[in-house]
Amino acid sequence: EAQVTQNPRYLITVTGKKLTVTCSQNMNHEYMSWYRQDPGLGLRQIYYSMNVEVTDKGDVPEGYKVSRKEKRNFPLILESPSPNQTSLYFCASSLNRQNTEAFFGQGTRLTVV
Amino acid sequence: QKEVEQDPGPLSVPEGAIVSLNCTYSNSAFQYFMWYRQYSRKGPELLMYTYSSGNKEDGRFTAQVDKSSKYISLFIRDSQPSDSATYLCAMRSTDSWGKFQFGAGTQVVVTP
Repeated sequence: EAQVTQNPRYLITVTGKKLTVTCSQNMNHEYMSWYRQDPGLGLRQIYYSMNVEVTDKGDVPEGYKVSRKEKRNFPLILESPSPNQTSLYFCASSLNRQNTEAFFGQGTRLTVV
Repeated sequence: QKEVEQDPGPLSVPEGAIVSLNCTYSNSAFQYFMWYRQYSRKGPELLMYTYSSGNKEDGRFTAQVDKSSKYISLFIRDSQPSDSATYLCAMRSTDSWGKFQFGAGTQVVVTP
């Protein structure tokens, strides 16, 4: 089954404790992206990757890091989480950069206390 | 000011009615326009996309783009309770392929 898998689905952590949210897709997609979703603000793009070893900032990259060492994986790293990073996070992938259909994961609800 | 504006709703309609959703935008470079549907506790899923101006129809769904007014619309005919969800518009430009701009989403409730 074609899918984008995020882990964990739910996470509660403390301020400053480094964490990684994993994202994996099994569709051999070139393009992957991370978003955060907050009430009233919709989806805001954090980082995206056009292909392996190619990443770029979205609209809200501060406090986040990403890496794309393999085509299928695109982890999101929070080196020192803060309460304002409490949000619902989505990973998405598309066949390539021109393709408009993005497949989204199920989301990761992160709470930073 | 946000590049994409969308009324958050909620928009409540009786079953069988036409649902009308819209977004306005400020960036004239946007060329691709998309509508996503998001059910509660799920990731968004693509409903329709349109390139540049014009209309596109797919079953009960019609997407319209008016680039001169920087305005896009989604119409859902013969609405069903299963259409109850949040609808998000999204846009991208060809000079920045990787970047997507989403609206805040409109919550739609279709009552039986």
